[in-house]
Formats: sequence, C-alpha cells, structure tokens
Amino acid sequence: KAGVTQTPRYLIKTRGQQVTLSCSPISGHRSVSWYQQTPGQGLQFLFEYFSETQRNKGNFPGRFSGRQFSNSRSEMNVSTLELGDSALYLCASSPGASGANVLTFGAGSRLTVL
Amino acid sequence: SQQGEEDPQALSIQEGENATMNCSYKTSINNLQWYRQNSGRGLVHLILIRSNEREKHSGRLRVTLDTSKKSSSLLITASRAADTASYFCATGGGAQKLVFGQGTRLTINP
Repeated sequence: KAGVTQTPRYLIKTRGQQVTLSCSPISGHRSVSWYQQTPGQGLQFLFEYFSETQRNKGNFPGRFSGRQFSNSRSEMNVSTLELGDSALYLCASSPGASGANVLTFGAGSRLTVL
Repeated sequence: SQQGEEDPQALSIQEGENATMNCSYKTSINNLQWYRQNSGRGLVHLILIRSNEREKHSGRLRVTLDTSKKSSSLLITASRAADTASYFCATGGGAQKLVFGQGTRLTINP
C-alpha cells in the first residue's frame, strides 16, 4: 500500500513568488492535513480537508490556502512568499472518521525562500 | 501555540540504555499520541494512549499517561542506533488537527 506522497520534495523560490505543493494521500483516506515545521515555531497546523471541504484551519494568514480534489489529493498554495515561509511542509492523511486521529505523514516538501 | 511541551529538549545516551522523554500538556484531552521524526523527514506514528488508559506498551515502547498531572512519558528500552530521532507528543485539537510539542531530540551513541 503506497504511503503519502508529497511533491516536490525540495524547492527554492524568491520573495514575492508563489508556490504550490501537492499531496497524494493513502488510498481510501479522505482527510488530508497540512503542517508547517520550522526550527523556531515547531510543528504548526495549517488546515485540514475532508471530502473536498476545509474542516479545520490553523492560525495562518490568508496567503496560505489549500484545496482538495474529488480523489482526495490535496494542494496547498502560498502566495507572496516571505523569507519566514521557509520551512518543511508536511502533509498527513487519515481515514477522517470521527474519533482517534492517527495521522500518516508524507516525507515533506522543503521550501527555501531567498 | 504549543499544547505539549517535551522534556528534555535533547537527550544523548549509550546504545542499550533506556531513554525516557516527558510531555506536559495544558487542556483536557481524549487521547495523546507520540510520533518519531528522522532527520527532517515525515513523522511516523508510534503509539496512541486514550485518556482512560494509564499505560500502554508496543514492542520496546512504553507510554504512561497521568491526566491529573496533564503529563505523559515515553520510555524506549534497550535503545538502538536506529532510535536516533526527534520524538513529539501530540494532542487532538478537534477533527484531525493535532497540536505538537517542540520535541525531544534523542541521540543514541554506539
């Protein structure tokens, strides 16, 4: 069974640009969550999608957005990049049912903003 | 803001020794999880303990939960070099939102 796949794995952008990251969840998982990891702030929740609807949102500015497609694949977009957006972006999937929320993570997309 | 706070921030031990990491959290929980992260890669789920459980075992892992003290501990017995990683506790913040602590960086020396 394939795991959670994130693309691209590494990317470098400059300030002001925008970036789109992609996540393919485990087959059958309907929930996809996104997290940002930085040395200073640690792991922070960005948002979660379930059945193409944003079900939960973290405390990030509107420059951070996401969506989920009918096949449960998800994308997140960051517009007008800032130096502080440099981070490891992690996607995680789960079946999405209520109750225990064990997440399966992808390997991450490491974004560097110059 | 972080819900869980791990202690210590870093731990270095010899192979074969036991490693203990602690986690404290702030609000009531339904469950608490521990995850491992190897060198800037994705997190791997280790174990989940529910609020009505006090102790849980999985292989060389033992997790305890004290809801009165809002704390949990992760014990790794007979450590191996492959256990070198960062370990995070996480509590549920609603739906699939997890709130992670800052993590404990564990180094196993051969």
